[in-house]
Amino acid sequence: QSALTQPASVSGSPGQSITISCTGTSSDVGGYNYVSWYQQHPGKAPKLMIYEVSNRPSGVPDRFSGSKSGNTASLTISGLQAEDEADYYCSSYTSSSTLDVVFGGGTKLTVL
Amino acid sequence: QVQLVQSGAEVKKPGASVKVSCKASGYTFTGYYMHWVRQAPGQGLEWMGWINPNSGGTNYAQKFQGRVTMTRDTSISTAYMELSRLRSDDTAVYYCARVVVPAAIVMDVWGQGTTVTVSS
Repeated sequence: QSALTQPASVSGSPGQSITISCTGTSSDVGGYNYVSWYQQHPGKAPKLMIYEVSNRPSGVPDRFSGSKSGNTASLTISGLQAEDEADYYCSSYTSSSTLDVVFGGGTKLTVL
Repeated sequence: QVQLVQSGAEVKKPGASVKVSCKASGYTFTGYYMHWVRQAPGQGLEWMGWINPNSGGTNYAQKFQGRVTMTRDTSISTAYMELSRLRSDDTAVYYCARVVVPAAIVMDVWGQGTTVTVSS
């Protein structure tokens, strides 16, 4: 069982918007603005899409945005494109004594 | 360009050890922490620990304490992750990832992954 909870799957049509949630606790998501989002295509390494809740690395389209409210962070993809179909993982720094980083279980995005 | 290149796939028997390498290029190796993350088949990402290439300091997830050792060789800009007493559930793809913002643990560059298969 992952430390952060994500929906197993979401879907949307090209051009639409979708949102993926990532729920943690006050020891991780809720306690720090240290949430990142990663995109992973099949057989590939993860790619950083959002860091520190809402910042985009250079080269990531502005269709990708992040936010946080309480213990839940969200990734929104607007203007869905076929190439956005992938798995998405959230991560957060955690104050746990047993590890530094927790990941969500991942969300499979299907572009219909 | 900034790049992390990992060693090739490994097949090991239960109880053996595996050592995966991660060679950095395109940036100052000692300037960024290196984290290790693994992904079992069809599963999510799991954080294993980090090494500070400058000092050699490490921090491991409690789950792997006593079985994992992370080291580095600054002369060749390479980080290593060794996992001992392998079990079948250690079968996974192992990734190294550079962390650009230490406090926020932002993994901005990833290696291509090394598949480790543990089977008798």
